[in-house]
Amino acid sequence: EPEVTQTPSHQVTQMGQEVILRCVPISNHLYFYWYRQILGQKVEFLVSFYNNEISEKSEIFDDQFSVERPDGSNFTLKIRSTKLEDSAMYFCASSDISPVNTGELFFGEGSRLTVL
Amino acid sequence: QKEVEQNSGPLSVPEGAIASLNCTYSDRGSQSFFWYRQYSGKSPELIMFIYSNGDKEDGRFTAQLNKASQYVSLLIRDSQPSDSATYLCAVVGRSNDYKLSFGAGTTVTVRA
Repeated sequence: EPEVTQTPSHQVTQMGQEVILRCVPISNHLYFYWYRQILGQKVEFLVSFYNNEISEKSEIFDDQFSVERPDGSNFTLKIRSTKLEDSAMYFCASSDISPVNTGELFFGEGSRLTVL
Repeated sequence: QKEVEQNSGPLSVPEGAIASLNCTYSDRGSQSFFWYRQYSGKSPELIMFIYSNGDKEDGRFTAQLNKASQYVSLLIRDSQPSDSATYLCAVVGRSNDYKLSFGAGTTVTVRA
């Protein structure tokens, strides 16, 4: 069964360092997302990506964050200068239909980021 | 006002009972509504979606939507210990909105 894959599963970094989280969405999907979940808190929307550009982003997704789809298969989230409060589980998701049309988001297993 | 609100629980039900989960949302223009299940330490997985007022059944799960009251619920019939998880209500807002907004989730524990 097709699945969304994420790497790394866990990354530990020092505050101020750059981090790149990688995702391979399901191959025929068109809509891509990054969400994060701080331990014990809700799943928070970061950014959605469609047609090779950001379609929507949240207030959390400030200038330290960026997304790319560098080669038509990978979808990356870059955090330029990590802060302690960036420690969270980051989920990549993809869908073939827009959620407004009841498209299901398929989530990867997540990348746990720990900032020291 | 939070976009999507849920009772955090925990909701404890005996095996075989009905678990009832509630969710309210703030955007009256919301179009699509989803219930996801998240086991501890795992990613969310879709249980079902609903977009029309009324009930929608899928196996032991029934979603109910009332757009006038901005309310969506999930019933789990014949609850099993494997249903013990956090249940996330998620909503898509305006028709050109790609964003799925999640509630904080309701933790359900099914007692054997």
